[in-house]
Amino acid sequence: AQKITQTQPGMFVQEKEAVTLDCTYDTSDQSYGLFWYKQPSSGEMIFLIYQGSYDEQNATEGRYSLNFQKARKSANLVISASQLGDSAMYFCAMREGPGGYQKVTFGIGTKLQVIP
Amino acid sequence: DGGITQSPKYLFRKEGQNVTLSCEQNLNHDAMYWYRQDPGQGLRLIYYSQIVNDFQKGDIAEGYSVSREKKESFPLTVTSAQKNPTAFYLCASSKRGGSTDTQYFGPGTRLTVL
Repeated sequence: AQKITQTQPGMFVQEKEAVTLDCTYDTSDQSYGLFWYKQPSSGEMIFLIYQGSYDEQNATEGRYSLNFQKARKSANLVISASQLGDSAMYFCAMREGPGGYQKVTFGIGTKLQVIP
Repeated sequence: DGGITQSPKYLFRKEGQNVTLSCEQNLNHDAMYWYRQDPGQGLRLIYYSQIVNDFQKGDIAEGYSVSREKKESFPLTVTSAQKNPTAFYLCASSKRGGSTDTQYFGPGTRLTVL
């Protein structure tokens, strides 16, 4: 089974509107971390937001928020007030396990295009 | 400014040649990683290192080699044994390797085999 599933290959959003990018995950660990990255056409992976499995509050970073629903194993990224510069690939990732070295698993990404 | 640098940005290689991709970080991170990204796909782990003078194979290590002689540096060599080396290579680092440790990435190197 896929550990990280991103079911939206591509999304369009009107400038200034909000958009939700879906991510579901699969793990049997109690301790894990969930990450979202943005990859613009330049290629660099830019860290956006982190959510720990024990965090009770949804993570927020500026216009980014993570809608964490633990029972449903979903960690959707919400971008508010979309800007043209938000057009990029977005990757969801997970790191499982309590300590030591833990591998990061990435989803295949969602391409977001912001329309003026 | 703290960050991760990769060089070169673009690299062209003839078949049968080894090439080395540079990765340097000044974040004082213990762990470093190399990923490969093919068009339309996510990232696949090649090698990782948790401490100096130690490194482990990732999911697709065949045809690649690394060294970790300094904390700041984690070069990747793409050898002639790598059958399909044309790809985008990303280096990353994190404070440690736990589930709360965020990986930060460099700008990437695009390798093309001619």
